Amino acid sequence: DAGVIQSPRHEVTEMGQEVTLRCKPISGHNSLFWYRQTMMRGLELLIYFNNNVPIDDSGMPEDRFSAKMPNASFSTLKIQPSEPRDSAVYFCASTPGLAGAEDTQYFGPGTRLTVL
Amino acid sequence: SQQGEEDPQALSIQEGENATMNCSYKTSINNLQWYRQNSGRGLVHLILIRSNEREKHSGRLRVTLDTSKKSSSLLITASRAADTASYFCATDALDDKIIFGKGTRLHILP
Repeated sequence: DAGVIQSPRHEVTEMGQEVTLRCKPISGHNSLFWYRQTMMRGLELLIYFNNNVPIDDSGMPEDRFSAKMPNASFSTLKIQPSEPRDSAVYFCASTPGLAGAEDTQYFGPGTRLTVL
Repeated sequence: SQQGEEDPQALSIQEGENATMNCSYKTSINNLQWYRQNSGRGLVHLILIRSNEREKHSGRLRVTLDTSKKSSSLLITASRAADTASYFCATDALDDKIIFGKGTRLHILP
C-alpha cells in the first residue's frame, strides 16, 4: 500500500489566494483527519470524517477553512482567502476504524504551506 | 488546551545511551499512544498502552503508564542515530478524540 498520499508537498502562495490541499487515505480506512502543525501550537486537529461524513470540525480556525470528503478515497482542505498566519505544515491521517481512541493513525507526508 | 504534554522539550544524548521522555496529561484516559516524527515527515505510530496496563515493550522501546500520576514515559534503549526525531504522546480526550502533545525533540549525538 502506498500509504496516505498528500498533494502538493509544498505550496507557496500570496495572501488572498485560494489554496486547496488534497489527501488520498489508505484504501479501506474509514476515518480521515486533517491536522495543522506549527512550532508555536504543535499539532492541531482541524476536522475529521467517519465514512466520508464530517464528525467534528471544531478545530477549524475560521470560516476561511473548509474541508470536504466526496468519497472514501479523496478529501480536500481549502483555505480561501489565505493569510500569512495560515503558514504551517498540514497533515492528513487515516485510520482503519471509526476514529476511536484505540485506532492507530497513519499520517501522510504533509503539505508545507507558505503564505506570503 | 493540551491534554498531553511531553517533557523535556528537547533532549540530546550520546549514541548508545538510553533516552527517556515523559508525558503528563490532565484528565482520565482510556489509552495513550506514542508517535515518532522524523524531520519533514508525518508521524509514525510506535506503541499504544491501555489504561489498565502499566508497562509495554516493543523492541528497544519501553513504555510505562502511571494513571495515579497521570503520566507516561517512553524509554528508548541503546539509542541510535536513526532515533533522532520528535516524539509525541497522544491521549484520548473525554469525547474520544485523540489529542497530541507538542513533542520532545530527541537528538542522538555520534
